[in-house]
Amino acid sequence: DAKTTQPNSMESNEEEPVHLPCNHSTISGTDYIHWYRQLPSQGPEYVIHGLTSNVNNRMASLAIAEDRKSSTLILHRATLRDAAVYYCIPDNNAGNMLTFGGGTRLMVKP
Amino acid sequence: DGGITQSPKYLFRKEGQNVTLSCEQNLNHDAMYWYRQDPGQGLRLIYYSQIVNDFQKGDIAEGYSVSREKKESFPLTVTSAQKNPTAFYLCASSVGARNTEAFFGQGTRLTVV
Repeated sequence: DAKTTQPNSMESNEEEPVHLPCNHSTISGTDYIHWYRQLPSQGPEYVIHGLTSNVNNRMASLAIAEDRKSSTLILHRATLRDAAVYYCIPDNNAGNMLTFGGGTRLMVKP
Repeated sequence: DGGITQSPKYLFRKEGQNVTLSCEQNLNHDAMYWYRQDPGQGLRLIYYSQIVNDFQKGDIAEGYSVSREKKESFPLTVTSAQKNPTAFYLCASSVGARNTEAFFGQGTRLTVV
């Protein structure tokens, strides 16, 4: 399975864009990259996923490097409600379960 | 509304007792999963089930047991053999194919005293 590296924590100001990086240099060519986030004392929630092209949805954008060794989750305007732990998760070779690393704790300052 | 429900939200048990955590989904998902989360850590996979009447061990299955007799239900039993059972337990479900979204319950916080 591909290993991921994410910063332990990041800080942002409210209303500013946030770029959350993830390195997944051992990812295989057919593995999607998934992003989930977990708010305090809640279960994780899906944010976005992609394979090669950049992806957009109502929550965020996902920019995937051309060599697929890294990706960046972009929150266009951070709000206080976006304070959470963000997990970058490549597909699991053993099946469809998600393998969570430590994630990035995003703090948003008013 | 469709979703995945875990109950109870908080659970207290005495050491040495078995305890069963409930997980129900009405999303018609084939796959269901149990994860454990310790403070400040990521989630670790305990058991998963791809289809009714079948399940597989995850990374930390020792001291836990599951059943999948119905598509919508995947209860987890924390047995007395689990050495450190106090944790936050999360259940999830998905369609079962790769590249599909997983839906998580709100979790059960188990405290063993």
